[in-house]
Amino acid sequence: QVQLVQSGAEVKKPGASVKVSCKASGYTFTSYGISWVRQAPGQGLEWMGWISAYNGNTNYAQKLQGRVTMTTDTSTSTAYMELRSLRSDDTAVYYCARGLDSSGYLDYWGQGTLVTVSS
Amino acid sequence: EIVLTQSPGTLSLSPGERATLSCRASQSVSSSYLAWYQQKPGQAPRLLIYGASSRATGIPDRFSGSGSGTDFTLTISRLEPEDFAVYYCQQYGSSPGFGGGTKVEIK
Repeated sequence: QVQLVQSGAEVKKPGASVKVSCKASGYTFTSYGISWVRQAPGQGLEWMGWISAYNGNTNYAQKLQGRVTMTTDTSTSTAYMELRSLRSDDTAVYYCARGLDSSGYLDYWGQGTLVTVSS
Repeated sequence: EIVLTQSPGTLSLSPGERATLSCRASQSVSSSYLAWYQQKPGQAPRLLIYGASSRATGIPDRFSGSGSGTDFTLTISRLEPEDFAVYYCQQYGSSPGFGGGTKVEIK
């Protein structure tokens, strides 16, 4: 069965960077892409961007351009999301989710990774 | 950028009742690239509907989606206890985005 398993919770100081991983199993990794979605405490969902696991093409939310980088490692079927210059309003649960392309719905989701930014 | 507005913010209903959730887009959503997700506390969202009206794998037929253009609706025909949750719509065109959510709570 399709599974996306994310790395554990992180606590970071303002200005630091965080890198969250998402290991996929149960399907052909390179046939889909991975989207990243975040949710601040008590808030709604925010789409951050998408990466093709086939060729590495990316589509980032304009709001995060320049601060976010999404990558994949096809040898381990793992996707990564790095967010730099962290601020307190980046505190959120970060989800990875499978999507066929950057214009695709998200049919399987990881369990979420809490990133807390605090001095 | 397409902005999605969901209404109502909260829907208070009893088990067995019908729930009707609305999602309105600021401009037309191309090719009905509209999905609905359910999220329960402490859990990841779950895909319910894609393409405005197609049920995802394993989703009960009490969930149905309709609409096109700028107006979309998620209907739950008879609420089961496990259906009380927050529901989000998403347009997945060139710049995907989510609505603010509708909470369906027990009356």
